[in-house]
Amino acid sequence: NAGVTQTPKFQVLKTGQSMTLQCAQDMNHEYMSWYRQDPGMGLRLIHYSVGAGITDQGEVPNGYNVSRSTTEDFPLRLLSAAPSQTSVYFCASSYGDGLNEKLFFGSGTQLSVL
Amino acid sequence: GDSVTQMEGPVTLSEEAFLTINCTYTATGYPSLFWYVQYPGEGLQLLLKATKADDKGSNKGFEATYRKETTSFHLEKGSVQVSDSAVYFCALSRTGGFKTIFGAGTRLFVKA
Repeated sequence: NAGVTQTPKFQVLKTGQSMTLQCAQDMNHEYMSWYRQDPGMGLRLIHYSVGAGITDQGEVPNGYNVSRSTTEDFPLRLLSAAPSQTSVYFCASSYGDGLNEKLFFGSGTQLSVL
Repeated sequence: GDSVTQMEGPVTLSEEAFLTINCTYTATGYPSLFWYVQYPGEGLQLLLKATKADDKGSNKGFEATYRKETTSFHLEKGSVQVSDSAVYFCALSRTGGFKTIFGAGTRLFVKA
């Protein structure tokens, strides 16, 4: 089983460049989310989606856009990269039915913005 | 708002030592509580969880008890192994994993 797949694993950008981090899951999960992981700060929620066509902001949404056109895919877009966006990004999904709250994580994307 | 606070690391132990990683939370009502583990170069994976007060979650020798009176969910293991070296995250969630809130993480090093 593939689970949650994130691409790329590593990326270096220059300030002002744009890019899309890809996330796909094959478990038919309704709920998907993006987190960033920074030293000493744990994981902070960027955006999340409770189903196709529905997205909402998390704790740190500025500078990021998302869309959810299918159940499987939840890409994260950086519109104009800044050094403050240097981080490790994780995509996560769950059934979201109140009974199965476990999050399944991808292996992460390490992003450096110069 | 909801929050999770866990002890700062790193924690360095010798093999077979007893492990405690403290976690306290702030939340109204009865959220579900979790411990996730992150091995080097990997994403997080669920270690254990508890969904109501006095529940004990357990897995792979690790245990944690949901204490409503002290708003705590401390992680314990009686005898750690080198393979337990990882970062451990305490977390809480209210509904279906939506907007799960994580603590800052505690890095554990176990020496042979």
